Amino acid sequence: EVQLVESGGGLVQPGGSLRLSCSGSGLIISDYEMYWVRQAPGKGLQCVSAIGDRGDSTYYADSVKGRFTISRDNSKNTLYLQMSSLRTEDTAVYYCVKRHINGWADHWGQGTLVTVSS
Amino acid sequence: DIVLTQSPDSLAVSLGERATINCKSSQNILYSSNNKDYLAWYQHKPGQPPRLLIYWASTRESGVPDRFSGSGSGTDFTLTINSLQAEDVAVYYCHQYYIPPRTFGQGTKVEI
Repeated sequence: EVQLVESGGGLVQPGGSLRLSCSGSGLIISDYEMYWVRQAPGKGLQCVSAIGDRGDSTYYADSVKGRFTISRDNSKNTLYLQMSSLRTEDTAVYYCVKRHINGWADHWGQGTLVTVSS
Repeated sequence: DIVLTQSPDSLAVSLGERATINCKSSQNILYSSNNKDYLAWYQHKPGQPPRLLIYWASTRESGVPDRFSGSGSGTDFTLTINSLQAEDVAVYYCHQYYIPPRTFGQGTKVEI
């Protein structure tokens, strides 16, 4: 059974940094394109970052470009999202998501809450 | 980026009645080489991750009740929930995986 477990969320002041982790079991994360999708309070789903299955391509939403970095540690089967220069509008639940080989998002973690507030 | 626009933003449906949610894509997401529409539907309940309901616009995911159905092609798609049950109260999202960035509709809240 595929499981994705996020960690690293919490309360951080504006301008601060956090690193989210997503530990995978039942799959090899490096075999798949992986996303970070967030849901801000009262808002819809937004893909903020993605990394290709070969790790040679990355995507960032304009709103996080230059501030967030997605990466993988294949030896730990873990996906990361390094977030810096955090803003109040980054407050959201962040989900780690696996892309099915045919394209749709087929497995989601439970999510981790990031709150950016002074 | 492909923009997905859902309608309505919210709807109230009586138990046992039908709910219909529309999703319009700003670009064609039908891939002519395989004649498949690169659209999925998700159900999202508070405190839970989104649940995949439909992919290829009309293929039901394993374990999804058959009261959920998807239709449409090209740029216009519909999710239909027949005989609405109390447990179907949720926000529903369409999602295109045709080209990156993969985008979502803004969501439709279904209430009783």
